[in-house]
Amino acid sequence: QVQLVQSGAEVKKPGSSVKVSCKASGGTFSSYAISWVRQAPGQGLEWMGGIIPIFGTANYAQKFQGRVTITADESTSTAYMELSSLRSEDTAVYYCARGGVRYFDFQAPLDYWGQGTLVTVSS
Amino acid sequence: QSVLTQPPSASGTPGQRVTISCSGSSSNIGSNTVNWYQQLPGTAPKLLIYSNNQRPSGVPDRFSGSKSGTSASLAISGLQSEDEADYYCAAWDDSLNGCWVFGGGTKLTVL
Repeated sequence: QVQLVQSGAEVKKPGSSVKVSCKASGGTFSSYAISWVRQAPGQGLEWMGGIIPIFGTANYAQKFQGRVTITADESTSTAYMELSSLRSEDTAVYYCARGGVRYFDFQAPLDYWGQGTLVTVSS
Repeated sequence: QSVLTQPPSASGTPGQRVTISCSGSSSNIGSNTVNWYQQLPGTAPKLLIYSNNQRPSGVPDRFSGSKSGTSASLAISGLQSEDEADYYCAAWDDSLNGCWVFGGGTKLTVL
């Protein structure tokens, strides 16, 4: 059974950075794309970017280019999302999700999701 | 403002059939398949339909999806109280480097 377990809630000051982890178990980690999707309070879903661990290549949404860094550690089956220059509008629940059904494909549907990590940005 | 357009709300009574629409453009729905996600209150989204009309293992056949041109729809038949949730459509968008785009979500209320 595939599981994605994320790190705990964070409270950050404006201008700082946050790094959220996503540890996978129960499946093949390296060959599936891992995406990061966020959801602001009461709002919809927003894709930030993703990575295919075996290649180490990341793909970012234009909105977050230059501010987000997504990495993966194959040895621990863990993906990371770091968001910098935080502002209040970045307060949201951040999810990691696996692009399943087929390997090596950012366009694969997101079939398993982490439990979410609440990041609160407040002075 | 979401790239894909969904109605903000939908409702039905138990046993009824409801549909939720999702409208996009040639760079997303028009050229790629559509997925649907169900999000129960306080939980992570769950994949409900992929590749326009495929159901993952464990998803009841009461849920079905379809796509035509730059629009898609999700149908739920035999509505049950546990279907009350937010539903999101999603498609890959080929513009720029490519990215996932989502609808704004539809809150389904079972009356």
